[in-house]
Parts: sequence; C-alpha cells; structure tokens
Amino acid sequence: GNSVTQMEGPVTLSEEAFLTINCTYTATGYPSLFWYVQYPGEGLQLLLKATKADDKGSNKGFEATYRKETTSFHLEKGSVQVSDSAVYFCALNAGNMLTFGGGTRLMVKP
Amino acid sequence: GAGVSQTPSNKVTEKGKYVELRCDPISGHTALYWYRQSLGQGPEFLIYFQGTGAADDSGLPNDRFFAVRPEGSVSTLKIQRTERGDSAVYLCASSLGASGRSGTDTQYFGPGTRLTVL
Repeated sequence: GNSVTQMEGPVTLSEEAFLTINCTYTATGYPSLFWYVQYPGEGLQLLLKATKADDKGSNKGFEATYRKETTSFHLEKGSVQVSDSAVYFCALNAGNMLTFGGGTRLMVKP
Repeated sequence: GAGVSQTPSNKVTEKGKYVELRCDPISGHTALYWYRQSLGQGPEFLIYFQGTGAADDSGLPNDRFFAVRPEGSVSTLKIQRTERGDSAVYLCASSLGASGRSGTDTQYFGPGTRLTVL
C-alpha cells in the first residue's frame, strides 16, 4: 500500500536559519505529492504540490522537488521566520485519497 | 470566496450515543472527502464522494460509520454507538473533481470537528 514517512519533530530553529524537512514515500503508480501546513489554531492549508517527476513546487519561499529515483519530496526554505512555526505534513495522492505522513512540528525562535 | 465549512466545531458525547457531523464543501466542487486525525498524527482517509455517490469508502473503520451526500453538495458523517476510540478531529475536504487525473486535484480542507466521546 501507499505510505509517507517524514522526519519526526519537533524541529527547532533560529530565525533566518535554513530548513529541511525530509519526506520519502512508497506508492503504486505515479502519485502527486503535496506539502500541507497547519498553523496553530487553524486548518490544513496546501503549501505546495508537484504532480510529476522532477517538478518543483514552490510557495512563500518554500520549495520541494519530486525525486522519483529516491522517492523523496523534501521541503526546504532558505531563511525561516517566526511566522513559519507550524506543523508540516507531507502527503501523496495516487488515486483519489491523500495519504499523509505523521507531521513535523517546526518551532522558529526569534 | 467561502471555503469548506464544518459544523459543529466541537462535539462532546457519551459512549454509545449517535452523532452527526456536517460538511459544506466549496461551491462547485464535485468531489468531497472525509478524514480523521488523531492527536499527534496525520489525517487518515475515511470516504470519498464524487457527486452523490460514495466512490471509495475503504477507509471507514467499521459499520458504525456511515456518510451521505444526497444532493451532491452537503455531506453528513454519521457515527452510531460511539466509542471512546472514536475521539478525534474529523476533517472534510473538497476538490473540483474535474481533472482527468484526480490525484492531481488540490483538496481544500475545512477547520474540522473535534469529537470527544466520554
């Protein structure tokens, strides 16, 4: 079956630090890959997505590249801000349903 | 425009009771999904509707769970004989559902209903 594994948190960084959150997946077929973010007290929001191999999704300074050869979709940001503190979920869709990883909590300190 | 809305935002019930959770999708979205999120975990798929029909209900944990979408818009998730293990946040999402590759559609999530079974 399909599955998503992402690094456990919490990840604690200082403002302006470089961020990487690792995500790897197992899927049948050719899934689309997503990063969702959940800010404190809010619902899940799409951060970025990539629908085929070698695509790069980007939004709000965050980037992730769909790597079929390593089955990965790592999330990166060059300079994090306190406002980026949230829980980040990696997910795949190989049909109709989303399969999520367990989430990674990011805490950014001023 | 209006996003996905869910009511109630919180529901506390006693073990053995029946509950209904409501979802109003984004207008024009033909696909609707229910997920369940336990504390500290990612959401888990329950059921997917395309229009009025349940296209995939493989995630429903047992026959106490049932969902309907009679007019292809609003959906209700129904849980009979609730158990303490049903306590979780129930999320609804909708998508356009028009893409030839439905897996590429972006799913837009509501704020969720937090269900607590005492």
